[in-house]
Amino acid sequence: ETGVTQTPRHLVMGMTNKKSLKCEQHLGHNAMYWYKQSAKKPLELMFVYNFKEQTENNSVPSRFSPECPNSSHLFLHLHTLQPEDSALYLCASSQRGLNYGYTFGSGTRLTVV
Amino acid sequence: AQTVTQSQPEMSVQEAETVTLSCTYDTSESNYYLFWYKQPPSRQMILVIRQEAYKQQNATENRFSVNFQKAAKSFSLKISDSQLGDTAMYFCARGAGSYQLTFGKGTKLSVIP
Repeated sequence: ETGVTQTPRHLVMGMTNKKSLKCEQHLGHNAMYWYKQSAKKPLELMFVYNFKEQTENNSVPSRFSPECPNSSHLFLHLHTLQPEDSALYLCASSQRGLNYGYTFGSGTRLTVV
Repeated sequence: AQTVTQSQPEMSVQEAETVTLSCTYDTSESNYYLFWYKQPPSRQMILVIRQEAYKQQNATENRFSVNFQKAAKSFSLKISDSQLGDTAMYFCARGAGSYQLTFGKGTKLSVIP
């Protein structure tokens, strides 16, 4: 048990579908993150939420829509994705100041067909 | 852009031997944090070791230790007595600001029996 839970673990969706990824943490952290991990690329920061407020949107296309209803839950809503969006999507959480880095979830492996 | 560079895409080591993974980084800050994360095939990103830049003493966690050279902006990871379970991707990361970690592209380590 890592403290950060992501569901689903695997997702296959068509380009016209709408789906959502879910992330949940019970570590008392106040910041949550979405990262995209593609083969042979560095982890790409997508969104940062601090106390439920979005503080970073790293030029992510609008077909990715984050939602953070409270400090423990984070969603990533997906619609009209492209095949190049296929990747591992990682959620993480942290305390302010990054003294102890991030705690990551196990990720959602997304395949867009 | 401030970057983190891991110059070794892949490495291998014999079981019980020692291996060193290299990492260099760029920063304009005087106080920051550095991390090594491990990502095994299970995809879970696990924090291996962390270093506070204002501390000169190199961090150590059991078989894992770092060689932190602040002036050279170098942060290498040494794994002693390598075990099969050490086979994974290893990512170096630097804390920037209060919330954001910047990651390198990773080094794939294979431990050979």
